[in-house]
This record gives sequence, C-alpha cells and structure tokens, in this order.
Amino acid sequence: QVQLQESGPGLVKPSQTLSLTCTVSGGSITSGSYSWSWIRQPAGKGLELIGRMYTSGSTNYNPSLKSRVTMSVDTSKNQFSLKLSSVTAADTAVYYCARGRIYTAAAGPAFDYWGPGTLVIVSS
Amino acid sequence: DIQMTQSPSTLSASVGDRVTITCRASQSISSWLAWYQQKPGKAPKILIYKASSLESGVPSRFSGSGSGTEFTLTISSLQPDDFATYYCQQYNSYSLTFGGGTKVEIK
Repeated sequence: QVQLQESGPGLVKPSQTLSLTCTVSGGSITSGSYSWSWIRQPAGKGLELIGRMYTSGSTNYNPSLKSRVTMSVDTSKNQFSLKLSSVTAADTAVYYCARGRIYTAAAGPAFDYWGPGTLVIVSS
Repeated sequence: DIQMTQSPSTLSASVGDRVTITCRASQSISSWLAWYQQKPGKAPKILIYKASSLESGVPSRFSGSGSGTEFTLTISSLQPDDFATYYCQQYNSYSLTFGGGTKVEIK
C-alpha cells in the first residue's frame, strides 16, 4: 500500500521560502506511470494544484504560481520536494502531496494517493 | 485554463436519498474527469476516474457519467458515511483544475 507523508515547517515568515518534503513509502517513486504533485487548500476553500513532476525531472507548474515554485525529486530517498518563494499570508493553507496516475500521454493525471496534509501558516 | 463549475455548492439530503452532483467544464474535456470525496481534516479520496470508472474499493452506490462538458456524480442511496464535500477535477489539459466543491449536508 503506497503511503505519502508531508514534512516541513508549519510556520513561515512573510517574504521567506516555504519548503516541504513528501516521503513515499510502499513503492518506488520511479516505478510505474505516475506523476508526483503538490496541491494546497486554504481553510474553508477549494483545492489548488501547485505543480507536478515526473521522475525524469520534467515539471509542470500552475501558471499563477510558476514564478515562485520549484519542485525536485530525490529518488535515492524516495522523496520529492516543494519550494515556494516570497510567501505571503495568501499562501497559508494545508499542503498535500499526491501521486498522479497517468492513463494516457494525451491527458494529465488523476490523484489516487494523497498524504494527510500539513498546515503551513505564513505569519511574522 | 479550463474552468470547472460544480452545482449545487451545498446540498441537504437524508439517509437513503438519491443524490446527484453536476460538474460542467468550460470546454470539452472528453472523459478526463475524476471525482473525490473529502471529509473535514482529511485528504481527498478518489471515487471515480475517467468520468465513470469506479476506483477499487469504492462502494457501488457511487457512479459517474458524462462526457464532453457535462458530468454527474450520483450516490444511489446516501449513507451516513457519505456526508462530505465532493470535488470534480479535469485532467484533459496541461493545467489541471478542480471544481469548487459540493458539500453534502444532513437534512
């Protein structure tokens, strides 16, 4: 059974960089046709995809966040990571990592496994 | 970006009711649509993929239909465990997007 777990600081100061890591267990991050994503949800609001990446190293970021987002993967640790720079209070949210199942090269992924989420508050 | 519009935003229903939630895409997404269930404080859980395919382990009272721009999620007989928020997600385009959610409340 694949499991994902987010980790990182729960409090980040405005203008600083938010850094989170997702550790994948129960399967190799390099096996199968999957992408690896970060999704966030402000309190009481809907879901927003931040970006996704593939173990080949290719990435796809939400255009609204693209200038501030960097995602990377460490296959030796079975982890992938998110960095979001120049954060403001608007970046306060629960951040989820998720595995995307790829059905065809012509379409994107649907998310079949999620981490439990981690709350990140941006405040001084 | 493709916009996903869910309706209603809130739905009040009783145990045993048949419930239908609609999701409309701003342009055709073929059948590349998934449905998720989210309970308070928990991560979303996938219910349906490719518009009508039931994810393994999901009860058969959940079903999905539609293609192109209009899709529905139906719960044939609402159970106490089904009171939650439901989201659709399109994965047709390079930029994936979610609907705004439908909260199913106890009537």
